[in-house]
Amino acid sequence: DAGVTQSPTHLIKTRGQQVTLRCSPISGHKSVSWYQQVLGQGPQFIFQYYEKEERGRGNFPDRFSARQFPNYSSELNVNALLLGDSALYLCASSLGTGGGTDTQYFGPGTRLTVL
Amino acid sequence: AQSVTQPDIHITVSEGASLELRCNYSYGATPYLFWYVQSPGQGLQLLLKYFSGDTLVQGIKGFEAEFKRSQSSFNLRKPSVHWSDAAEYFCAVAPYNQGGKLIFGQGTELSVKP
Repeated sequence: DAGVTQSPTHLIKTRGQQVTLRCSPISGHKSVSWYQQVLGQGPQFIFQYYEKEERGRGNFPDRFSARQFPNYSSELNVNALLLGDSALYLCASSLGTGGGTDTQYFGPGTRLTVL
Repeated sequence: AQSVTQPDIHITVSEGASLELRCNYSYGATPYLFWYVQSPGQGLQLLLKYFSGDTLVQGIKGFEAEFKRSQSSFNLRKPSVHWSDAAEYFCAVAPYNQGGKLIFGQGTELSVKP
């Protein structure tokens, strides 16, 4: 079975630009979450979507936005990029049952470099 | 506030030796706990999880972890380390009332000496 897929693998942008990252969940999973992992740190929660609705949001500025499509895939958008946005962006999918037992499975990530 | 602490940033063990990676959490209610492993440049792979019941849980690749409520710990163990175990290991807690949101520790990097 295919796991979580993300595209692109790597991305280089300049400050002030906008970027869109894409994620396809495991078949049968209805929830997608996004995490930011800065070098040397653990992942930080950005968003969770379930059935196209935002279920949770982390402590990130409004420059970060996301959406989920009817096929449960998702996009993460970041506007007005800053150098500090350089990170590995991880997508995770889960069944969407809610609660802490809703185990998340991660994709390989998109490495974003902002120059 | 909920948090996860992994006290050891970097650990080196010899191949064949036993391994224990420490994890402490701060959370008021019964926690849901996870260990993930990340190879260089890769995403996170789930090793094991604890929701309830038996406090000793078995995972993939020969790993196990023990939940100790009195110590707020969920340490990861392996009896005999293989060179392929070299990676970054993350402990995480999922608050029961925040969907599947995970709160991660900062990770422990494991190096394996031949």
